[in-house]
Amino acid sequence: EDQVTQSPEALRLQEGESSSLNCSYTVSGLRGLFWYRQDPGKGPEFLFTLYSAGEEKEKERLKATLTKKESFLHITAPKPEDSATYLCAVPHRGDSNYQLIWGAGTKLIIKP
Amino acid sequence: DGGITQSPKYLFRKEGQNVTLSCEQNLNHDAMYWYRQDPGQGLRLIYYSQIVNDFQKGDIAEGYSVSREKKESFPLTVTSAQKNPTAFYLCASSISAHRLNTEAFFGQGTRLTVV
Repeated sequence: EDQVTQSPEALRLQEGESSSLNCSYTVSGLRGLFWYRQDPGKGPEFLFTLYSAGEEKEKERLKATLTKKESFLHITAPKPEDSATYLCAVPHRGDSNYQLIWGAGTKLIIKP
Repeated sequence: DGGITQSPKYLFRKEGQNVTLSCEQNLNHDAMYWYRQDPGQGLRLIYYSQIVNDFQKGDIAEGYSVSREKKESFPLTVTSAQKNPTAFYLCASSISAHRLNTEAFFGQGTRLTVV
């Protein structure tokens, strides 16, 4: 069964303390992996798409990487404004169409 | 500005009542989606539409209905048959449902509470 698992569920860091979030997946024939950021009470905001193993993308303090089994979202020297829930999703081929399978997210809290 | 607008932001429903959540997009996207988000769970697909006048059930369609009469609009009705409707509802759109290697854009959500 195709699934996406994110870890940890929550991560508390001090401002400036770098770390990584994990998104592991079991999907036959990966067609991409998406990272989103979600602030409380708001809709997810698109961050990155990764298409193939070895690919990396960066945006400010965030860098996403992809292997054949998982993706990491590295956060370098985070600031309090980076606090949010980070979601990942992968396309899954259903009976007739593609759908997205979503992880439950990692809640990141950056303390000043 | 292009984007997706959901309304209302907060909605309260009485037992046995149907309510409709609005979703409008001006991105000229063909595909639109409704998701439900509950604490500690990933987004779950309720319905999606690839084109006007066509829509398909997602994983949790029971107790919900949709329509797609215009490309820009994809309203969701939560019927009295939905036994546990309290949740955060998200509408999204993408260029095409068949090209899921392109990103989806989300509205700001509607929080529905049963009172």
